[in-house]
Amino acid sequence: QVHLLQSGAEVKKPGASVKLSCKASGYKFTSYSIHWVRQAPGQRLEWMGWLGAGDAYTKYSQKFQGRVTITRDTSASTVYMELSSLTSEDTAIYYCARVASAYGDLSHFDYWGQGTLVTVAS
Amino acid sequence: EIVLTQSPGTLSLSPGERATLSCRASQSVSRNFLAWYHHKPGQAPRLLIYDASNRATGIPDRFSGSGSGTDFTLTISRLEPEDFAVYYCQQYGNSPFTFGQGTRLEIK
Repeated sequence: QVHLLQSGAEVKKPGASVKLSCKASGYKFTSYSIHWVRQAPGQRLEWMGWLGAGDAYTKYSQKFQGRVTITRDTSASTVYMELSSLTSEDTAIYYCARVASAYGDLSHFDYWGQGTLVTVAS
Repeated sequence: EIVLTQSPGTLSLSPGERATLSCRASQSVSRNFLAWYHHKPGQAPRLLIYDASNRATGIPDRFSGSGSGTDFTLTISRLEPEDFAVYYCQQYGNSPFTFGQGTRLEIK
């Protein structure tokens, strides 16, 4: 069955970077895009960007452009999301999510990781 | 960017009752690419409805979605104890993909 396993909680200082992982299993890894979504305390879910199927095309929300990088290691069936220049406003739970349609860019998310808490504090 | 506004913010109902949740978009959602998710603290969001009205695999038929354009509705016909959670709508017809602020469904 499809499973997305995310890395553990992180505590970072302002100005630092964090790199989270999302290990996929139970399906053909390169056929489905993976998105990253976060939820800050008391806030709505916020889409950050995605890494496409096939050639791993990336697209980022304008809000995070220049600060976020999504990559993958096909041999490890793992997608990474790195966020730089952290501030306290980046304190949030970060989720990876798989699209439902193979090779689909515009698709809902059928499977989600369990989430990773990132805390940014001095 | 399409802004999604959900109402009500909180809905207090009893098990067995009917719940109606609304999601309004600031502009028309392309191809009615709208989904609903159920979310409990500490858990991953769970897909309920996609393309406005299609139930996801394994979702009971007490959940139904309707609407088009800018106005969408999630209806839960008879509430079960496990249904009390936060519900989010999401549009994926245009980038950036956006979510509503959520409706908290609580036990009365």
